[in-house]
Amino acid sequence: DADVTQTPRNRITKTGKRIMLECSQTKGHDRMYWYRQDPGLGLRLIYYSFDVKDINKGEISDGYSVSRQAQAKFSLSLESAIPNQTALYFCATKATGYYGYTFGSGTRLTVV
Amino acid sequence: GIQVEQSPPDLILQEGANSTLRCNFSDSVNNLQWFHQNPWGQLINLFYIPSGTKQNGRLSATTVATERYSLLYISSSQTTDSGVYFCAVEPQGGGSNYKLTFGKGTLLTVNP
Repeated sequence: DADVTQTPRNRITKTGKRIMLECSQTKGHDRMYWYRQDPGLGLRLIYYSFDVKDINKGEISDGYSVSRQAQAKFSLSLESAIPNQTALYFCATKATGYYGYTFGSGTRLTVV
Repeated sequence: GIQVEQSPPDLILQEGANSTLRCNFSDSVNNLQWFHQNPWGQLINLFYIPSGTKQNGRLSATTVATERYSLLYISSSQTTDSGVYFCAVEPQGGGSNYKLTFGKGTLLTVNP
């Protein structure tokens, strides 16, 4: 099984719908992150969490919310999806005191 | 925040050629990682290299932290090397700096 699992892998949803993307990890890392990737723009940080009670906005948090249900789970919600939220979304984890970040396989979201 | 610039934005090679990708960053870093994004969208970690030189098969990387740049070398390129290469950095300073900032990537196409 993958260390960082994202579900769903692909999703098509309609404008105005609420959708949740989920991330779970088995690495025991305390820090978790959500990024989105748009063509030509690299990956940009949406939200990040250093532990269950610590949630922080990234550079593009508008239109998104998150929930850290447990150390191993970090969910990203789009309350009312819009077409410009069509993107590839990545979850990442990191352990305090260590240097490497581990990424999930991504969720490809299309809003029509 | 820290700025990350990658060059060139696009690169086309014939199979067997060598190439050098560059990453410039604007501030001191704790962490620098190179990733390869394959055609399925997955991010593959190539190197964790905040300083020094590392090699892994046909790939090698060098980071000169004092001059704030990193280079990724690909030798004897193969078609499977095609994809987007990202450089990502975590700035020094702790606290809210514990997050990766990505460059926009280099799109590499290796033709047979």
